[in-house]
Amino acid sequence: AQKVTQAQTEISVVEKEDVTLDCVYETRDTTYYLFWYKQPPSGELVFLIRRNSFDEQNEISGRYSWNFQKSTSSFNFTITASQVVDSAVYFCALMGGADGLTFGKGTHLIIQP
Amino acid sequence: EAGVAQSPRYKIIEKRQSVAFWCNPISGHATLYWYQQILGQGPKLLIQFQNNGVVDDSQLPKDRFSAERLKGVDSTLKIQPAKLEDSAVYLCASSPGHGNTFGSGTRLTVV
Repeated sequence: AQKVTQAQTEISVVEKEDVTLDCVYETRDTTYYLFWYKQPPSGELVFLIRRNSFDEQNEISGRYSWNFQKSTSSFNFTITASQVVDSAVYFCALMGGADGLTFGKGTHLIIQP
Repeated sequence: EAGVAQSPRYKIIEKRQSVAFWCNPISGHATLYWYQQILGQGPKLLIQFQNNGVVDDSQLPKDRFSAERLKGVDSTLKIQPAKLEDSAVYLCASSPGHGNTFGSGTRLTVV
């Protein structure tokens, strides 16, 4: 069975601080995909990134960066110089093979001005 | 390209009534998913279609939920009869391969 754990239920930081959202996953699949989605108060799920299990290179996109470590089954997400617009619920998700997504419970990120 | 379309956006019904949700995926996407997102939780997969066939419905409460994708394009999810615990956002997603593009969802309130 697949499982995604986001241990941080809620994080509150002051604007311009860096913040890291943790994600730990469990799967028996050798080929799988990891995702991060953002869900702002409006409710839509916004795709941020997809990584496959064979690509452990870290990725940076503007203020966002992702650290994938297979050895610890983790796929952490860092926002540098956070902004109020980053306030949202962030979900980490796992897809094995051609299955649907298994989501974590989400981390509610609050950026205070 | 047009996104995943869902309707209605909101629905309020009384318990034991029936309700249906509609989803039109992105053109050309063979895989279609329905997820249920209860307030404060991550989305949970209910059913996955590949074209007009069901790939996975292991988490669909089949005594009251049903879904179809007759022509391999749009899909309908039905609940009959609804229970209070069915109050949630129902999200449709489609994919050409590995990944999901989500619609805006239907927020269902059962009173």
